[in-house]
Amino acid sequence: GAVVSQHPSWVICKSGTSVKIECRSLDFQATTMFWYRQFPKQSLMLMATSNEGSKATYEQGVEKDKFLINHASLTLSTLTVTSAHPEDSSFYICSARMTGTKNIQYFGAGTRLSVL
Amino acid sequence: RKEVEQDPGPFNVPEGATVAFNCTYSNSASQSFFWYRQDCRKEPKLLMSVYSSGNEDGRFTAQLNRASQYISLLIRDSKLSDSATYLCVVNIILRSQGNLIFGKGTKLSVKP
Repeated sequence: GAVVSQHPSWVICKSGTSVKIECRSLDFQATTMFWYRQFPKQSLMLMATSNEGSKATYEQGVEKDKFLINHASLTLSTLTVTSAHPEDSSFYICSARMTGTKNIQYFGAGTRLSVL
Repeated sequence: RKEVEQDPGPFNVPEGATVAFNCTYSNSASQSFFWYRQDCRKEPKLLMSVYSSGNEDGRFTAQLNRASQYISLLIRDSKLSDSATYLCVVNIILRSQGNLIFGKGTKLSVKP
Protein backbone atom coordinates (compact mmCIF):
# COMPACT_ATOMS: atom_id res chain seq x y z
CA GLY A 1 0.00 0.00 0.00
CA ALA A 2 0.86 3.66 -0.16
CA VAL A 3 3.49 4.86 2.29
CA VAL A 4 3.55 8.13 4.15
CA SER A 5 6.63 8.96 6.15
CA GLN A 6 6.43 11.36 9.09
CA HIS A 7 9.45 12.69 10.91
CA PRO A 8 10.38 13.02 13.72
CA SER A 9 8.41 10.40 15.60
CA TRP A 10 9.04 11.96 19.00
CA VAL A 11 10.08 15.43 20.06
CA ILE A 12 10.77 16.86 23.49
CA CYS A 13 11.38 20.58 23.54
CA LYS A 14 11.45 23.55 25.86
CA SER A 15 8.58 25.97 26.04
CA GLY A 16 8.97 28.81 23.55
CA THR A 17 10.86 26.86 20.91
CA SER A 18 9.58 25.97 17.46
CA VAL A 19 9.24 22.45 16.17
CA LYS A 20 9.00 21.37 12.53
CA ILE A 21 7.33 18.12 11.51
CA GLU A 22 7.71 16.68 8.02
CA CYS A 23 5.25 14.54 6.14
CA ARG A 24 6.29 12.81 2.92
CA SER A 25 4.41 10.60 0.52
CA LEU A 26 7.05 8.11 -0.57
CA ASP A 27 5.54 6.33 -3.54
CA PHE A 28 2.78 8.58 -4.79
CA GLN A 29 2.03 12.23 -5.38
CA ALA A 30 -0.30 13.89 -2.93
CA THR A 31 -1.88 17.15 -3.97
CA THR A 32 -3.65 17.23 -0.62
CA MET A 33 -2.26 16.44 2.79
CA PHE A 34 -3.97 16.74 6.14
CA TRP A 35 -2.73 17.52 9.62
CA TYR A 36 -4.49 16.08 12.64
CA ARG A 37 -3.99 16.32 16.36
CA GLN A 38 -5.02 13.74 18.92
CA PHE A 39 -5.10 14.27 22.66
CA PRO A 40 -5.17 11.22 24.97
CA LYS A 41 -8.42 9.26 24.75
CA GLN A 42 -9.79 11.73 22.23
CA SER A 43 -10.57 11.40 18.55
CA LEU A 44 -8.36 12.70 15.81
CA MET A 45 -9.18 16.33 15.14
CA LEU A 46 -8.42 17.88 11.79
CA MET A 47 -6.25 20.95 12.16
CA ALA A 48 -5.72 21.96 8.57
CA THR A 49 -5.74 20.85 4.97
CA SER A 50 -2.60 21.42 2.98
CA ASN A 51 -2.74 21.84 -0.79
CA GLU A 52 0.39 21.82 -2.88
CA GLY A 53 1.25 25.29 -4.09
CA SER A 54 -1.43 27.15 -2.17
CA LYS A 55 -2.22 28.31 1.34
CA ALA A 56 -3.46 25.79 3.84
CA THR A 57 -7.06 25.77 4.99
CA TYR A 58 -7.33 25.83 8.76
CA GLU A 59 -10.19 24.45 10.81
CA GLN A 60 -12.04 26.72 13.18
CA GLY A 61 -10.11 27.38 16.35
CA VAL A 62 -6.70 26.50 14.91
CA GLU A 63 -4.32 29.47 14.83
CA LYS A 64 -2.64 29.71 11.46
CA ASP A 65 0.16 31.87 12.82
CA LYS A 66 0.99 29.28 15.45
CA PHE A 67 0.76 26.22 13.24
CA LEU A 68 2.57 27.08 10.04
CA ILE A 69 1.98 24.74 7.14
CA ASN A 70 4.02 24.57 3.97
CA HIS A 71 3.27 22.24 1.06
CA ALA A 72 5.94 23.13 -1.43
CA SER A 73 5.96 19.93 -3.46
CA LEU A 74 3.65 17.06 -4.35
CA THR A 75 5.38 14.80 -1.86
CA LEU A 76 6.18 17.01 1.12
CA SER A 77 4.18 19.01 3.64
CA THR A 78 5.58 20.49 6.84
CA LEU A 79 3.92 21.66 10.02
CA THR A 80 5.80 24.06 12.27
CA VAL A 81 4.55 24.57 15.80
CA THR A 82 5.84 28.03 16.66
CA SER A 83 6.61 29.09 20.22
CA ALA A 84 5.39 25.78 21.58
CA HIS A 85 3.82 25.64 25.02
CA PRO A 86 2.95 22.68 27.26
CA GLU A 87 -0.68 22.77 26.09
CA ASP A 88 0.58 22.03 22.56
CA SER A 89 1.83 18.64 23.74
CA SER A 90 -0.07 16.11 21.70
CA PHE A 91 0.12 13.45 19.02
CA TYR A 92 0.30 15.08 15.59
CA ILE A 93 -0.52 12.92 12.59
CA CYS A 94 -0.37 13.75 8.92
CA SER A 95 -2.12 12.00 6.10
CA ALA A 96 -2.00 12.17 2.35
CA ARG A 97 -4.75 11.59 -0.13
CA MET A 98 -3.88 9.84 -3.35
CA THR A 99 -5.72 11.28 -6.30
CA GLY A 100 -8.50 9.01 -7.52
CA THR A 101 -8.70 6.81 -4.42
CA LYS A 102 -12.15 7.93 -3.35
CA ASN A 103 -10.95 9.93 -0.39
CA ILE A 104 -8.86 7.21 1.19
CA GLN A 105 -6.16 8.82 3.27
CA TYR A 106 -2.88 7.20 4.15
CA PHE A 107 -1.46 8.17 7.50
CA GLY A 108 2.03 8.88 8.70
CA ALA A 109 3.18 7.21 11.90
CA GLY A 110 2.61 10.36 13.92
CA THR A 111 4.79 12.68 15.97
CA ARG A 112 4.53 12.76 19.71
CA LEU A 113 5.33 16.28 20.90
CA SER A 114 6.13 16.94 24.53
CA VAL A 115 6.71 20.56 25.51
CA LEU A 116 8.35 21.05 28.88
CA ARG B 1 -24.62 16.09 19.08
CA LYS B 2 -21.27 14.72 17.98
CA GLU B 3 -20.86 14.03 14.29
CA VAL B 4 -19.70 10.47 14.82
CA GLU B 5 -20.57 8.58 17.98
CA GLN B 6 -19.23 5.29 19.19
CA ASP B 7 -19.40 3.32 22.40
CA PRO B 8 -15.89 3.78 23.84
CA GLY B 9 -15.91 0.33 25.47
CA PRO B 10 -13.74 -1.34 26.47
CA PHE B 11 -15.03 -4.58 25.06
CA ASN B 12 -13.23 -7.42 26.80
CA VAL B 13 -13.78 -10.70 24.99
CA PRO B 14 -12.15 -14.14 24.99
CA GLU B 15 -10.30 -15.47 21.98
CA GLY B 16 -12.65 -16.94 19.44
CA ALA B 17 -15.58 -14.73 20.41
CA THR B 18 -17.68 -12.73 18.00
CA VAL B 19 -17.91 -9.03 18.79
CA ALA B 20 -19.88 -6.21 17.18
CA PHE B 21 -19.30 -2.47 17.25
CA ASN B 22 -21.81 0.19 16.33
CA CYS B 23 -21.46 3.75 15.21
CA THR B 24 -23.93 6.51 14.39
CA TYR B 25 -23.33 9.64 12.39
CA SER B 26 -25.33 12.83 12.38
CA ASN B 27 -24.66 14.40 9.00
CA SER B 28 -26.89 12.96 6.30
CA ALA B 29 -24.53 14.40 3.70
CA SER B 30 -21.91 11.83 4.67
CA GLN B 31 -20.79 10.12 1.52
CA SER B 32 -18.36 7.40 2.37
CA PHE B 33 -17.62 5.37 5.43
CA PHE B 34 -14.68 3.52 6.86
CA TRP B 35 -13.45 1.54 9.80
CA TYR B 36 -9.91 2.28 10.88
CA ARG B 37 -7.87 0.46 13.47
CA GLN B 38 -5.54 2.32 15.82
CA ASP B 39 -3.05 0.63 18.09
CA CYS B 40 -1.83 2.40 21.20
CA ARG B 41 0.37 5.39 20.33
CA LYS B 42 0.25 4.53 16.63
CA GLU B 43 -1.36 6.05 13.58
CA PRO B 44 -4.77 4.88 12.34
CA LYS B 45 -4.73 2.23 9.65
CA LEU B 46 -7.55 1.57 7.25
CA LEU B 47 -9.32 -1.65 8.08
CA MET B 48 -12.07 -1.53 5.49
CA SER B 49 -14.44 0.72 3.62
CA VAL B 50 -18.15 0.29 4.32
CA TYR B 51 -20.74 -0.04 1.57
CA SER B 52 -24.52 0.04 1.66
CA SER B 53 -24.68 -3.53 0.41
CA GLY B 54 -22.47 -4.67 3.26
CA ASN B 55 -19.03 -6.07 2.76
CA GLU B 56 -16.86 -8.74 4.20
CA ASP B 57 -13.11 -9.15 4.48
CA GLY B 58 -12.15 -12.41 6.09
CA ARG B 59 -13.34 -12.35 9.69
CA PHE B 60 -14.55 -8.75 9.41
CA THR B 61 -17.98 -7.71 8.18
CA ALA B 62 -19.14 -4.12 7.85
CA GLN B 63 -22.67 -2.89 7.37
CA LEU B 64 -24.13 0.52 6.57
CA ASN B 65 -27.69 1.63 7.13
CA ARG B 66 -28.11 5.04 5.52
CA ALA B 67 -31.72 5.44 6.64
CA SER B 68 -30.74 5.04 10.28
CA GLN B 69 -27.31 6.64 9.80
CA TYR B 70 -25.74 3.64 11.43
CA ILE B 71 -22.58 1.66 10.73
CA SER B 72 -21.49 -1.61 12.24
CA LEU B 73 -18.42 -3.80 12.34
CA LEU B 74 -18.55 -7.49 13.20
CA ILE B 75 -15.43 -9.43 14.08
CA ARG B 76 -15.70 -13.21 14.12
CA ASP B 77 -13.30 -15.64 15.77
CA SER B 78 -11.44 -12.87 17.61
CA LYS B 79 -7.65 -13.10 17.80
CA LEU B 80 -5.35 -11.63 20.40
CA SER B 81 -3.94 -9.44 17.64
CA ASP B 82 -7.36 -7.85 17.11
CA SER B 83 -6.88 -5.92 20.37
CA ALA B 84 -6.90 -2.27 19.37
CA THR B 85 -9.15 0.76 19.14
CA TYR B 86 -11.55 0.72 16.21
CA LEU B 87 -12.39 4.08 14.73
CA CYS B 88 -15.57 4.77 12.82
CA VAL B 89 -14.86 7.36 10.14
CA VAL B 90 -17.16 9.20 7.78
CA ASN B 91 -16.32 11.37 4.83
CA ILE B 92 -18.46 14.44 4.30
CA ILE B 93 -17.99 15.80 0.82
CA LEU B 94 -19.61 19.14 1.62
CA ARG B 95 -17.01 20.15 4.16
CA SER B 96 -14.21 22.22 2.74
CA GLN B 97 -11.60 19.72 1.65
CA GLY B 98 -10.53 18.21 4.94
CA ASN B 99 -13.44 15.90 5.26
CA LEU B 100 -12.74 12.77 7.28
CA ILE B 101 -14.59 12.86 10.59
CA PHE B 102 -13.37 10.43 13.22
CA GLY B 103 -15.24 8.88 16.09
CA LYS B 104 -13.45 8.55 19.42
CA GLY B 105 -13.07 4.86 18.87
CA THR B 106 -14.15 1.66 20.55
CA LYS B 107 -11.50 -0.19 22.48
CA LEU B 108 -11.34 -3.94 22.06
CA SER B 109 -9.31 -6.23 24.28
CA VAL B 110 -9.13 -9.89 23.34
CA LYS B 111 -8.01 -12.15 26.17
CA PRO B 112 -6.52 -15.66 25.96
